[in-house]
Amino acid sequence: DGGITQSPKYLFRKEGQNVTLSCEQNLNHDAMYWYRQDPGQGLRLIYYSQIVNDFQKGDIAEGYSVSREKKESFPLTVTSAQKNPTAFYLCASSAGVGYADTQYFGPGTRLTVL
Amino acid sequence: GNSVTQMEGPVTLSEEAFLTINCTYTATGYPSLFWYVQYPGEGLQLLLKATKADDKGSNKGFEATYRKETTSFHLEKGSVQVSDSAVYFCALSTRDDKIIFGKGTRLHILP
Repeated sequence: DGGITQSPKYLFRKEGQNVTLSCEQNLNHDAMYWYRQDPGQGLRLIYYSQIVNDFQKGDIAEGYSVSREKKESFPLTVTSAQKNPTAFYLCASSAGVGYADTQYFGPGTRLTVL
Repeated sequence: GNSVTQMEGPVTLSEEAFLTINCTYTATGYPSLFWYVQYPGEGLQLLLKATKADDKGSNKGFEATYRKETTSFHLEKGSVQVSDSAVYFCALSTRDDKIIFGKGTRLHILP
């Protein structure tokens, strides 16, 4: 089955530690995205990537970093510079940015910083 | 720039009631329009979509019609169930920009 996997589903970290969230897709999509969702809120775009080895900042990139070394993988690192990292993180992919195409989502990772 | 505006929630209805969630958009060009649904603790799932004016998207009893003259894509269902309780997001995508989501509307269905 094609789809997007995110791991782990729940993640706990101590304040001041960096943490990396995994996102893998086997849909052969060029574009991948990371969103943050806070309780009762909509989606906010953190970073997106249109092609391997290239990515762009979204609306709330400060305190986050990404890499895109392989087409199927787009990990997100939440650094200690992110002031309020506790949130639900969603990864998504689509055929490409500007394709007017459907975006497919993973199940999400809930990060709690203690 | 492109934008999506959807009605604020929460929306609370009794089972078997008629549902409408309003969505209007602003876009340059000819966008595709989407409704996504998010069940508690999960990612978003595509519910339905329409790619051109007057198209009707439908799935699981939900429908939405792409109205270019009113720049709207309202979500409707004739008889809601408790299992429809979720957050619903309207979205648009154009050929020159990434997808834009509305803020979401939380729906509660009472038995």
